[in-house]
Amino acid sequence: RKEVEQDPGPFNVPEGATVAFNCTYSNSASQSFFWYRQDCRKEPKLLMSVYSSGNEDGRFTAQLNRASQYISLLIRDSKLSDSATYLCVVNPNSGGYQKVTFGTGTKLQVIP
Amino acid sequence: NAGVTQTPKFQVLKTGQSMTLQCAQDMNHEYMSWYRQDPGMGLRLIHYSVGAGITDQGEVPNGYNVSRSTTEDFPLRLLSAAPSQTSVYFCASSPSGTGAYEQYFGPGTRLTVT
Repeated sequence: RKEVEQDPGPFNVPEGATVAFNCTYSNSASQSFFWYRQDCRKEPKLLMSVYSSGNEDGRFTAQLNRASQYISLLIRDSKLSDSATYLCVVNPNSGGYQKVTFGTGTKLQVIP
Repeated sequence: NAGVTQTPKFQVLKTGQSMTLQCAQDMNHEYMSWYRQDPGMGLRLIHYSVGAGITDQGEVPNGYNVSRSTTEDFPLRLLSAAPSQTSVYFCASSPSGTGAYEQYFGPGTRLTVT
């Protein structure tokens, strides 16, 4: 089993739709989790951290399910500008240098 | 602040040639990393550094060398380029300390080895 697995998509959704991505991880001792966004031919950028209690930032909601070892990202009211690849990132450490593991990404295409 | 900068943006090498990919950051971050990104593989860690003078291997270090003589710079050297090293290379930096921190990525170098 891969350390971090994501559905590669693409997810093609109309503007205004709600879309959700999941990401599963194999190391039950993993400490922290992130979602990064990567636009085509650009560098990854942090979208949001994922806290145990879940967190929300505008139209984006991230949740963590430790029992089932997955994190999720929900995007409400999708915009054309949300089209990108979303990378799940898992950090096994609680401090020090973080050898994080990146998922391969889920591609989202929002269509007019 | 420029953040993390990388040069060159694009490079074509012939098999057996060597070159250095440059990376610099102006955020005074202790941690710096080099990743490669290949289709279907995700970003994979090549080498990393936790401070000036300290480097270590990541997941895929073979064929690459690094050094960290200053906090700002973290160059990646390809010793003898091979077609398998065709990839997009990203440099990243992050602050040190406890907790989990955001990694800041440079714009990447697209390398083709023929």
